Amino acid sequence: SQQGEEDPQALSIQEGENATMNCSYKTSINNLQWYRQNSGRGLVHLILIRSNEREKHSGRLRVTLDTSKKSSSLLITASRAADTASYFCATDLGDYKLSFGAGTTVTVRA
Amino acid sequence: DAGVIQSPRHEVTEMGQEVTLRCKPISGHDYLFWYRQTMMRGLELLIYFNNNVPIDDSGMPEDRFSAKMPNASFSTLKIQPSEPRDSAVYFCASSLRPREGNQPQHFGDGTRLSIL
Repeated sequence: SQQGEEDPQALSIQEGENATMNCSYKTSINNLQWYRQNSGRGLVHLILIRSNEREKHSGRLRVTLDTSKKSSSLLITASRAADTASYFCATDLGDYKLSFGAGTTVTVRA
Repeated sequence: DAGVIQSPRHEVTEMGQEVTLRCKPISGHDYLFWYRQTMMRGLELLIYFNNNVPIDDSGMPEDRFSAKMPNASFSTLKIQPSEPRDSAVYFCASSLRPREGNQPQHFGDGTRLSIL
């Protein structure tokens, strides 16, 4: 069963705009990871945030984690056409397994 | 560095046939994972290995599915006999040994399986 749920399911934005997507989960976690999947390809790891961290940055990506609300957000700033992809959150349940959400499909229009 | 390599990329076969999917993990990675992705169910973990030993196969849907890892550089996922509902994209991923929680997983580009 999926632990994380992303919101929204789909997002369409203009190039240069910011894209924000959210992930909610149900149980305590050790860390939460975000992945990107381009059409026809495998998932690519973007960023990992540990349960004792609140915010993390990597290039144009900003991830927040609120363990009290069991939620995380991924912000992509100054979006580009190449950011068009599906984005998944994955929760580490502490048993070396990851539970992936259903994903947010992001379309960046030129 | 070579990433996770899966073969074949596409497989189309008839119901009842045996299907074998192959995976070469990244050298030095201790963990190997097999996932299945469908529109209806999303990404599901089927089985994972640590140092070639199966640790958790609770996600394997039926006895028709089996997975092996004979050595650190090769794993197979076999479906026998195959059924149309097995049609999906199957991914292999590998990671280093977790320390403080999980390490990132590195995915192959998947095998798109169609059972007619």
